[in-house]
Amino acid sequence: AQSVSQHNHHVILSEAASLELGCNYSYGGTVNLFWYVQYPGQHLQLLLKYFSGDPLVKGIKGFEAEFIKSKFSFNLRKPSVQWSDTAEYFCAVKGGTGGFKTIFGAGTRLFVKA
Amino acid sequence: DGGITQSPKYLFRKEGQNVTLSCEQNLNHDAMYWYRQDPGQGLRLIYYSQIVNDFQKGDIAEGYSVSREKKESFPLTVTSAQKNPTAFYLCASSHTRIRGWDTEAFFGQGTRLTVV
Repeated sequence: AQSVSQHNHHVILSEAASLELGCNYSYGGTVNLFWYVQYPGQHLQLLLKYFSGDPLVKGIKGFEAEFIKSKFSFNLRKPSVQWSDTAEYFCAVKGGTGGFKTIFGAGTRLFVKA
Repeated sequence: DGGITQSPKYLFRKEGQNVTLSCEQNLNHDAMYWYRQDPGQGLRLIYYSQIVNDFQKGDIAEGYSVSREKKESFPLTVTSAQKNPTAFYLCASSHTRIRGWDTEAFFGQGTRLTVV
């Protein structure tokens, strides 16, 4: 069955540090890939998405992600984090063996020190 | 405004009682989903539905039931058979197509259920 692995469960960074969160999914084929973010006390919202075309995807708040098909990966990056980026980040995949369902990873809690 | 409405935001239940969580969407999405969120475990799929009067079990369906009598509504019942029901429950909806720009799932604000 389709699954998603996020490499880091907890990440602590200082402001202005660079961020990279790893994400791998298990089965290929036609997939849509997503990163969602959940700020403290808020609902889940979409950060960015990939469905075709340029494998480097830019999202909101300066985030970007790169789809590498050969590695089944979709890592999230940000060159310089801010305190306000403190949140939980979820990688998700739709398609492949999962069909129209969206399958989520376990999440990464990011804490940015001011 | 289009979106997904979950109610109530907080819910307390006594052990042995069934409780129903509401989810309504006005996004005209065919697919609806229920996820359970626990710390360190991400979002785990409970049930999903592709069309009215049809739904499928997800990864953790035991102790839960759903119905899909209307396209807009997908209520979740947490039964007394669910051994560890205290959790944060999220409802979502999406188009069923995989190809295309607008394939992402949209989420409600969630319901926090506590068994007392």
